[in-house]
Amino acid sequence: GAGVSQSPSNKVTEKGKDVELRCDPISGHTALYWYRQRLGQGLEFLIYFQGNSAPDKSGLPSDRFSAERTGESVSTLTIQRTQQEDSAVYLCASSLVPRNEQFFGPGTRLTVL
Amino acid sequence: EDQVTQSPEALRLQEGESSSLNCSYTVSGLRGLFWYRQDPGKGPEFLFTLYSAGEEKEKERLKATLTKKESFLHITAPKPEDSATYLCAVQAGYGGSQGNLIFGKGTKLSVKP
Repeated sequence: GAGVSQSPSNKVTEKGKDVELRCDPISGHTALYWYRQRLGQGLEFLIYFQGNSAPDKSGLPSDRFSAERTGESVSTLTIQRTQQEDSAVYLCASSLVPRNEQFFGPGTRLTVL
Repeated sequence: EDQVTQSPEALRLQEGESSSLNCSYTVSGLRGLFWYRQDPGKGPEFLFTLYSAGEEKEKERLKATLTKKESFLHITAPKPEDSATYLCAVQAGYGGSQGNLIFGKGTKLSVKP
């Protein structure tokens, strides 16, 4: 079956511009997660959606970062006024329920010039 | 603070030379420990979930074990196609976000023919 998909696969932007990253989870998966992977670092949790509950935003590094999810479907991660330190691979994952294993998409590589 | 430490950072093996990767963790009530494989330019691929000390799981040349403080990923008679970065992650049971995974920085495995 189809896995988690993300778009775009690569994004190059200029400092100060806004970017939107998209994630399509596996159909039927109620939980959706965003992570960031900087070069040489482990994956950092950003935000977590579970069904219709309020999202857990505890990992968002600043108020320039926000995310939305439409029901149990597509999610978008928005970074406003991008900075060079935002350069990283942004990974989306979904799971059937929160305690289950998470399945990851291929990621979006963001480069801020 | 919940934390995951993986060692070694990098491991070079000859084809057929068995070895183990270590994942030490500190977590407020372990809900689960997860092993992933990540190839360059791709998202992490799920391998195993372990829930309680003493549990073991196997898949082809890989075997994962769990104690109260650490997990090992044993690789028996590795092949060049086993070359990848292996990631360990834990899911906490108490406090903070109970959905997201806390990742180590990974062990980069290279298997030479």
